[in-house]
Amino acid sequence: GAGVSQSPSNKVTEKGKDVELRCDPISGHTALYWYRQSLGQGLEFLIYFQGNSAPDKSGLPSDRFSAERTGGSVSTLTIQRTQQEDSAVYLCASSLTQGDSYEQYFGPGTRLTVT
Amino acid sequence: AQTVTQSQPEMSVQEAETVTLSCTYDTSESDYYLFWYKQPPSRQMILVIRQEAYKQQNATENRFSVNFQKAAKSFSLKISDSQLGDAAMYFCAYRSPITQGGSEKLVFGKGTKLTVNP
Repeated sequence: GAGVSQSPSNKVTEKGKDVELRCDPISGHTALYWYRQSLGQGLEFLIYFQGNSAPDKSGLPSDRFSAERTGGSVSTLTIQRTQQEDSAVYLCASSLTQGDSYEQYFGPGTRLTVT
Repeated sequence: AQTVTQSQPEMSVQEAETVTLSCTYDTSESDYYLFWYKQPPSRQMILVIRQEAYKQQNATENRFSVNFQKAAKSFSLKISDSQLGDAAMYFCAYRSPITQGGSEKLVFGKGTKLTVNP
């Protein structure tokens, strides 16, 4: 079956502009995660959605970052007034449901470059 | 908060040889999950192997095995009979047990870049 997809694959934007990154999780997966991978760093958790529960936003680095998940499926990560330090690869993952043994499946990521 | 440390930014191995990647973590929890993920240049994160902390037996997946030392908070990955396709970034990750309303976020180390020489 289809895996997690993300679009765009690459995005170049000017400092101060807003950007939207999209994630399509695996069909039927109720949990969805966003991570950020800066150059030479590991993945940093941003936000987590689980079904109809309130999202865990504890990883969002500033109020310029927001995310939503519509209809329990597609998610959009929005970065307002982008800064150069926002340049990174943004990875989305989904898992079947909340549970101890359920694997997170990752998408290929969106590489964001802020000039 | 939990932390994961990978002390080897880069490693190299000859094809068909064995290599071990190190990972240590810090936690006050007694039950948790540990993972090794592979990230090739395509950026796709691929789960290599997982270990449940309550299991004493080390996990094994084909040529990949772990050495889990709970008291030492160490979780190393051994790759046997290395192949050219094993070349990638390898990330160690930690996850807390699921509690009611809890998040399943993964905490990652900074990664080890593995080069496989022919």
